[in-house]
Amino acid sequence: GAGVSQSPSNKVTEKGKDVELRCDPISGHTALYWYRQSLGQGLEFLIYFQGNSAPDKSGLPSDRFSAERTGGSVSTLTIQRTQQEDSAVYLCASSLITGAHEQFFGPGTRLTVL
Amino acid sequence: AQTVTQSQPEMSVQEAETVTLSCTYDTSESDYYLFWYKQPPSRQMILVIRQEAYKQQNATENRFSVNFQKAAKSFSLKISDSQLGDAAMYFCAYRNNAGNMLTFGGGTRLMVKP
Repeated sequence: GAGVSQSPSNKVTEKGKDVELRCDPISGHTALYWYRQSLGQGLEFLIYFQGNSAPDKSGLPSDRFSAERTGGSVSTLTIQRTQQEDSAVYLCASSLITGAHEQFFGPGTRLTVL
Repeated sequence: AQTVTQSQPEMSVQEAETVTLSCTYDTSESDYYLFWYKQPPSRQMILVIRQEAYKQQNATENRFSVNFQKAAKSFSLKISDSQLGDAAMYFCAYRNNAGNMLTFGGGTRLMVKP
């Protein structure tokens, strides 16, 4: 079966523009996570969706960042008015449910803000 | 808040030899999960091994094993019979029993010399 997919693979944008990053989780996975991996830093949690519950947005770094998940499947991470410090790899992961279940990661989107 | 520390930014091992990657964490929880993920240049995070904190027995997956010291809050990864394909970034990660997101260490870059 297909794994987690993300698009685009790479995105180059100009400072101040908005970008949308897409994540297609594994079919049947109810939990979906976004992480950011910045150069020279580890991975940091951004946002988490579980079923129809309200998302956990505690990791979003500013109000320029938002995410939604439509129909309990595909998720879009939107960054408004991008800044150079937003340049990073954005990783999406999904799992069957939460708790002990393994999170399966996508290949990420590398975002470069010029 | 939980923190995960990997004190070795880079490690090198000769092919067929054994290497140990270190990880320490800080938590006040008693129930949690620990993971080692591998990230090759393709960027896709791959789960290597998982340890439940309530289990005293160290987890083993083929050539990969862990040394879990709960009292010391230490979780090291041992790779035996290292192969060229083991070369990658390795991340130690923590998740508490009730939580959902993973907290990652800063990563260790493993190089394997032929």
